[in-house]
Amino acid sequence: DAGVTQSPTHLIKTRGQHVTLRCSPISGHKSVSWYQQVLGQGPQFIFQYYEKEERGRGNFPDRFSARQFPNYSSELNVNALLLGDSALYLCASSLAGDRRDRESYGYTFGSGTRLTVV
Amino acid sequence: QQQVKQSPQSLIVQKGGISIINCAYENTAFDYFPWYQQFPGKGPALLIAIRPDVSEKKEGRFTISFNKSAKQFSLHIMDSQPGDSATYFCAASISFFGNEKLTFGTGTRLTIIP
Repeated sequence: DAGVTQSPTHLIKTRGQHVTLRCSPISGHKSVSWYQQVLGQGPQFIFQYYEKEERGRGNFPDRFSARQFPNYSSELNVNALLLGDSALYLCASSLAGDRRDRESYGYTFGSGTRLTVV
Repeated sequence: QQQVKQSPQSLIVQKGGISIINCAYENTAFDYFPWYQQFPGKGPALLIAIRPDVSEKKEGRFTISFNKSAKQFSLHIMDSQPGDSATYFCAASISFFGNEKLTFGTGTRLTIIP
């Protein structure tokens, strides 16, 4: 069974450029979330999408945007890249059902996209 | 504002010993507390999770202890093995249908030595 797949795995961009990261959730999972993990720190929540609608947004500037497609895959876009955007970007998917069921399914993370801004 | 505080930052345990990682939270609205394991170059993988109406949950060698009044929870790894060497993150979330945000701790790098 395929897990959460992210592409590309590694990316090097120059300051000021734009980047698009892609995520395919586990089949049947309707919720996709994006997290930023700076080296040596815990992941920080960026966005959550459920049924193609934005359901949550973290404390990130408007340069960060995302969307979810009808097949539940998702893209994260970052404009005007800064050196500080260098990080591992993680996508996670879940069934996002009733809260009482969360213990049984939780979130499954992909291996991430390592973005380096130079 | 760090809503989930994790300690220690790093931990070295002998093979066969017990590894203990602690977390404390501030927001009493949190209602789901998972632990994740992360190996270099990989995304976090869910190990075990607990809800605040339960004081302890055990799955194999991994146990979560939860103290609601103290707003603390901990991960115990029994009979620690070299393969357990990884970074461990506690997390907490408030959730309702279709909307969930995980707040992670800062991580503990665990090393199991022979």
